[in-house]
Amino acid sequence: EVQLVESGGGLVQPGRSMKLSCAASGFTFSNYGMAWVRQAPTKGLEWVATISYDGSSTYYRDSVKGRFTISRDNAKSTLYLQMNSLRSEDTATYYCTRAYNSGFDYWGQGVMVTVSS
Amino acid sequence: DIVMTQAPLSVSVTPGESASISCRSSKSLLHSNGITYVYWYLQKPGKSPQLLIYRMSNLASGVPDRFSGSGSETDFTLKISRVEAEDVGIYYCGQLLENPPTFGAGTKLELK
Repeated sequence: EVQLVESGGGLVQPGRSMKLSCAASGFTFSNYGMAWVRQAPTKGLEWVATISYDGSSTYYRDSVKGRFTISRDNAKSTLYLQMNSLRSEDTATYYCTRAYNSGFDYWGQGVMVTVSS
Repeated sequence: DIVMTQAPLSVSVTPGESASISCRSSKSLLHSNGITYVYWYLQKPGKSPQLLIYRMSNLASGVPDRFSGSGSETDFTLKISRVEAEDVGIYYCGQLLENPPTFGAGTKLELK
């Protein structure tokens, strides 16, 4: 059974940093691209970043470029999102997803990030 | 960025009846390889989104065949036959033709 379990969220002040993790199991992690998708409170889905299966390629939405870094450790089957210079508009539930040519086919339970003073 | 526009914003359906949700993209989602890169997701209340349909008309694993997807290059439809209580939630269309991946604003399905 595919499982994606996010951790690392919480309350953080504007301008500070936070790192999210996503532990994957139930599939060969190193064979799949992975992504982060977020959802602000009462809002819709917003793609944040994608990383290729081997980590050689990364893609970001414009609003997080230069502030967020997506990375992975295939030996640990873990995906990361390093978030720096956080803003109030980054407040959201962040979902880890498996990104395949059949879409974002598996999603974690989500982790809440609140940016507030 | 490709804009995905969904309609209606909400729909109320009698259990056992069918429902259709529309999605329009601001550019063609048909790739030169013949694949149309539109996807449908359902977010049940308090839950994470789940994939329903991939590449316009393919049913994701474990999804009941009451769900079906169809469309053209820019206009897409998700049809739910014989709506059940477990189908309640917000339906999103999305595209993966090009970066950034984008989603529609969502359509809320409720039961009458």
